[in-house]
Amino acid sequence: SYELTQPPSVSVSPGQTARITCSGDALPRQYAYWYQQRPGQAPVLVLYKDKERPSGVPERLSGSSSGTTATLTISGVQAEDEADYYCQSRDNNEDSVVFGGGTRLTVL
Amino acid sequence: EVQLVESGGGLVQLGGSLKLSCVASGFTFGNYAFSWVRQAPGKGLEWVSSISGDGGRTFFADSVKGRFSVSRDNSKNTVFLEMHNLRVEDAAKYFCAKDSGLAGTDGHLSSWGQGTLVTVSS
Repeated sequence: SYELTQPPSVSVSPGQTARITCSGDALPRQYAYWYQQRPGQAPVLVLYKDKERPSGVPERLSGSSSGTTATLTISGVQAEDEADYYCQSRDNNEDSVVFGGGTRLTVL
Repeated sequence: EVQLVESGGGLVQLGGSLKLSCVASGFTFGNYAFSWVRQAPGKGLEWVSSISGDGGRTFFADSVKGRFSVSRDNSKNTVFLEMHNLRVEDAAKYFCAKDSGLAGTDGHLSSWGQGTLVTVSS
């Protein structure tokens, strides 16, 4: 199965914009999904189909995808956004779910 | 409200077996596929297995193929993960997740349980 690559860490100050990227060869053909995981908690879906927000997810979280890279953007970062973020896609050749390695967002 | 509650984790010896359960509520259970995802301590998420809404199709990561099986009982709103010949690298928290679709081959994981911890002793 193919891989999704994320930066291990991103750091921003409160109020700034954080961008977390996810790279994978299949992303031009497959959607990217994003999950937020706070320490000690289960993952929570925050974006689906590249850019759609489930109900309850703040508008400051947005998504985009171009070519082999999907991006989760958090505008006006707040302390509560500090968490690990994982991208996910599908490998339809092998009927499998693929996760990126995760990015730890630190709010300075 | 969607609720997923996993159970069955615990301490098992190297080479042993364990069966995890995930009881779901708050939606029409048989209309959705389910996945199991694990997370070793301090590590990232790793997909383990998925099962379609009717249980007719199952999918496994290469790392567990031939050792793990997945099943569901739609009359009891429960998904199972049966694990055999457990290895040290299988030690992790195992999450049950509701898929966004029926087939188990597309979409995202819309809801997650809190997980159950599996420890493998050598």
